[in-house]
Amino acid sequence: GNSVTQMEGPVTLSEEAFLTINCTYTATGYPSLFWYVQYPGEGLQLLLKATKADDKGSNKGFEATYRKETTSFHLEKGSVQVSDSAVYFCALTLYNQGGKLIFGQGTELSVKP
Amino acid sequence: GAGVSQTPSNKVTEKGKYVELRCDPISGHTALYWYRQSLGQGPEFLIYFQGTGAADDSGLPNDRFFAVRPEGSVSTLKIQRTERGDSAVYLCASSLVPSGANVLTFGAGSRLTVL
Repeated sequence: GNSVTQMEGPVTLSEEAFLTINCTYTATGYPSLFWYVQYPGEGLQLLLKATKADDKGSNKGFEATYRKETTSFHLEKGSVQVSDSAVYFCALTLYNQGGKLIFGQGTELSVKP
Repeated sequence: GAGVSQTPSNKVTEKGKYVELRCDPISGHTALYWYRQSLGQGPEFLIYFQGTGAADDSGLPNDRFFAVRPEGSVSTLKIQRTERGDSAVYLCASSLVPSGANVLTFGAGSRLTVL
């Protein structure tokens, strides 16, 4: 079946550290890939997306590259801030699924000053 | 509206009671989705609507769960004979059309606690 696996959290970093959150997927066909973020007390928000292999999604200093050969979509940021503390969800959707998203379990990030 | 609105934001009920959760999507969005998020887990798909009809209800866990969208806008998720295991945050999302290329906009969720 179709699924998403993320590295387990919580991840704790100091401000300005480099961030990587791993995400791998299993899918029949060619999915679109997403990272959503959930800040404390807020709803899920789209962070970035990529719709085909080798595409790079980017937003707010975060990047992720759609790697078909390794079925991965790892999230990176060169220098995290305290305000990046949140839960990050990797997700996929298939073209024939009506936009239905399949989520990973989420990775909690805590950035300390 | 400007965003996806969900009510109530919090609902506490007793085991065996009936519960309704409401979702008001972004105006003009034809697709509406319901998800359930248990503590420490990612959102789990329940059902989605294209217009008034349920296009995919494969995620509904059993026949105690039912959702409607009678006029193609507001949707209500209905849970009968609630159980403690139904405790979770129920998320609603909408998109312009049900396409993998379109981004889902989520509401803040309705937190259901079954005692």
